[in-house]
Amino acid sequence: GNSVTQMEGPVTLSEEAFLTINCTYTATGYPSLFWYVQYPGEGLQLLLKATKADDKGSNKGFEATYRKETTSFHLEKGSVQVSDSAVYFCALHITDMRFGAGTRLTVKP
Amino acid sequence: DTGVSQDPRHKITKRGQNVTFRCDPISEHNRLYWYRQTLGQGPEFLTYFQNEAQLEKSRLLSDRFSAERPKGSFSTLEIQRTEQGDSAMYLCASSPRGEYNSPLHFGNGTRLTVT
Repeated sequence: GNSVTQMEGPVTLSEEAFLTINCTYTATGYPSLFWYVQYPGEGLQLLLKATKADDKGSNKGFEATYRKETTSFHLEKGSVQVSDSAVYFCALHITDMRFGAGTRLTVKP
Repeated sequence: DTGVSQDPRHKITKRGQNVTFRCDPISEHNRLYWYRQTLGQGPEFLTYFQNEAQLEKSRLLSDRFSAERPKGSFSTLEIQRTEQGDSAMYLCASSPRGEYNSPLHFGNGTRLTVT
């Protein structure tokens, strides 16, 4: 079946550190891939997406590249801020959207 | 675009009672999804509608759960004879079309606590 596996957290970084959150997927067919973010007390928000192999999604300094050969969609940011503290979810979408378990990121000043 | 609206935000009920949640999607979105999220986990797919037709149901959706979208606009999720294991955040999402690359727009959820 279709599923997503993402790096377990929690992840704690200092401000301006480099962030990577790993995500790999298993899918029949050709999914679109997404990263969603959930800030404390808020609902899920779309962060970025990629719809086909080699596409790069980007938003707010975050990037992720759709790698079909490694079935991966790792999230990266070059310099995190305290305001990036949140839970990040990797997801794939074919007929419905399937989510990973989430990775909690805490950025300390 | 007022976003996806869910009501109520919180519901506390006693075991064995029935509860019903409502979701109002973004207007003109023809797909509507229900998910369940427990602490420390990602959202788990329950069911989705295209217009008024319920197209897919997860095996997580036991016979105590029923969802409707009678006029293809708002949807309700009912849980009968609630159990403590039903305690979770119930999320509704909508998307503007059925294509695979459409992101889902989520509401803030209904938090259910079964005592």
